[in-house]
Amino acid sequence: DTAVSQTPKYLVTQMGNDKSIKCEQNLGHDTMYWYKQDSKKFLKIMFSYNNKELIINETVPNRFSPKSPDKAHLNLHINSLELGDSAVYFCASSRDIYGYTFGSGTRLTVV
Amino acid sequence: DAKTTQPPSMDCAEGRAANLPCNHSTISGNEYVYWYRQIHSQGPQYIIHGLKNNETNEMASLIITEDRKSSTLILPHATLRDTAVYYCIVKNSNSGYALNFGKGTSLLVTP
Repeated sequence: DTAVSQTPKYLVTQMGNDKSIKCEQNLGHDTMYWYKQDSKKFLKIMFSYNNKELIINETVPNRFSPKSPDKAHLNLHINSLELGDSAVYFCASSRDIYGYTFGSGTRLTVV
Repeated sequence: DAKTTQPPSMDCAEGRAANLPCNHSTISGNEYVYWYRQIHSQGPQYIIHGLKNNETNEMASLIITEDRKSSTLILPHATLRDTAVYYCIVKNSNSGYALNFGKGTSLLVTP
């Protein structure tokens, strides 16, 4: 039933590791997003993606890469994890001008 | 996208109407006003959006001034569960541009 689902919900990993967060939406939306919410609670867009265009926030390190196997999925791969990558990552999807639907978030802790 | 200005925090008594203001004086003709909220550490939740007419749904009402330079989100009968950070966002209709969240208004509903 969940419209936008993310896995895992929690992720604890060591510095230098490579990890992935998965996102799936069953709403038939054509655009998906990844947001990062840091310890100060600011929500920042990382990527937006539809089947035509990937828009990357230029401040996002190239260690982060989105991968979309199909329209319903947008996974986030992170290479060489750093302490500063610790945050909550939210996936979202949307269609046209309508509101975004967000997942419940993945809390990433890098130790 | 136009910038928005919101008060950092507000209080409201339970059962009363909560009126959350937002200034967006540089809004342009094709930009919509969106409201979202984030309850504690959950994913942001879409509330309502509008272009120039006032809008109402089961969650809230959105009042947009005639010149479109400001708007007010109204929660008609606030409950404790409405305690959250409320974000007012202005965005154009191009789906390639993602929502940019500011600092929002932290609304505390008190018994």
